[in-house]
Amino acid sequence: SAVISQKPSRDICQRGTSLTIQCQVDSQVTMMFWYRQQPGQSLTLIATANQGSEATYESGFVIDKFPISRPNLTFSTLTVSNMSPEDSSIYLCSVAGNYGYTFGSGTRLTVV
Amino acid sequence: GDSVTQMEGPVTLSEEACLTINCTYTATGYPSLFWYVQYPGEGLQLLLKATKADDKGSNKGFEATYRKETTSFHLEKGSVQVSDSAVYFCALSGTGYSTLTFGKGTMLLVSP
Repeated sequence: SAVISQKPSRDICQRGTSLTIQCQVDSQVTMMFWYRQQPGQSLTLIATANQGSEATYESGFVIDKFPISRPNLTFSTLTVSNMSPEDSSIYLCSVAGNYGYTFGSGTRLTVV
Repeated sequence: GDSVTQMEGPVTLSEEACLTINCTYTATGYPSLFWYVQYPGEGLQLLLKATKADDKGSNKGFEATYRKETTSFHLEKGSVQVSDSAVYFCALSGTGYSTLTFGKGTMLLVSP
C-alpha cells in the first residue's frame, strides 16, 4: 500500500491566520481526499482532490475557506484559511488504490 | 445516501475478554466494508476489509464478516489486550473505491 508523509503533525495558530498542510505520497495516485476530524468525532470528508482539475468539495465546505492544490500525482496541499477556534481539528489526507485507502498520520490543529 | 451505524462507546473490557463492536450499514449496490483503528494521538490504520458478501476480513486476531442479509460487519476478537485500546471506525465505500463513509467510532478501553 502507499505510504503518506503528512506535515506538520501539529500546530498552534492564531485566529485569522492560515495554515497549509502538505501530503506527499510515495507512489502516483489518482484520487486524494482530505478529511476533518473534530474533537471526539468521526471523520468528515472535506473534498476530493484530483490532479489537473479543481477539487470537489462536500456540502458545508467551500474553496475560499479550504483551498486545495494538486500539482501532480504524488502531492497535495490543504490550506485552512482565516482560522477560528472552530477550525481546531485533526486534518487527514487519504489516498485510494487497489489495496484500499491509506491515511496520513494527521495534522492536529489548535486555533487560539 | 450511504450511512454507517456503529455501537456507541466507550467499551470497557478486562484483558483477555471477548470483544464485539457492532456495525450496520445502509448503501446501494455492493459496497466494500472496512474497519480502521486509531491509536491515541495517531492517524487511521486499516485493520481489515471485505469487498463482497460472506467475505471475512482478519488481522491481528480481529475478524469481521460481510453479512449482506443483515447489512452488518461486526468486529470481533476472542481475547483483547491492553494494547488494543483505541478508537475503532467502521466504514464503507461504494463501487470503484469512491469516498469513504465512516461511522462515529467506538472507543475501546482494555484494562489489565
